[in-house]
Amino acid sequence: KQEVTQIPAALSVPEGENLVLNCSFTDSAIYNLQWFRQDPGKGLTSLLLIQSSQREQTSGRLNASLDKSSGRSTLYIAASQPGDSATYLCAVASTNAGKSTFGDGTTLTVKP
Amino acid sequence: EAGVAQSPRYKIIEKRQSVAFWCNPISGHATLYWYQQILGQGPKLLIQFQNNGVVDDSQLPKDRFSAERLKGVDSTLKIQPAKLEDSAVYLCASRSGETQYFGPGTRLLVL
Repeated sequence: KQEVTQIPAALSVPEGENLVLNCSFTDSAIYNLQWFRQDPGKGLTSLLLIQSSQREQTSGRLNASLDKSSGRSTLYIAASQPGDSATYLCAVASTNAGKSTFGDGTTLTVKP
Repeated sequence: EAGVAQSPRYKIIEKRQSVAFWCNPISGHATLYWYQQILGQGPKLLIQFQNNGVVDDSQLPKDRFSAERLKGVDSTLKIQPAKLEDSAVYLCASRSGETQYFGPGTRLLVL
């Protein structure tokens, strides 16, 4: 059974800092890994999706990496802004049927 | 493109009552998911549909939860009878390619 862990549970940084969020998973036989953002009281918004054959994906100030052999993914946020404050969740899909196992998220606060 | 729609947004009921949630996925999306998200946790899959067929309902508490997706479009999730531990946000998502698109969720409080 796949288990996904995100550490830390909460992170507070000053505006402008670069930061890294971590995601680890127990079964390396994954199909893809996706990073989501969730704002309070809202649904999830997809940020980046990395296929199992890929090592990283980039979108603007966000960069996600994947190391299947070690069961880890990181989400790098450059030059953080107060608008980046949200909960970030990673989700691991084990097959192409789309069923994903989610971590419990890291709640990020970026202080002005 | 319209997003995933869910209603109601909030619901408060007493334990042992029944409740139903509705989801309208993005047009053309064949795959639909219902997730339960308890406060402070990540979403947990309850059921996955492909068109109007069930792909995975292994984590659906079938003694009290039921879901259907008639005509392969809209879906309803029902809880009967509700328990205190069912208090959570119920998220609906639909899929295009390999990306899931989530609705805003229904926040359920069982008293």
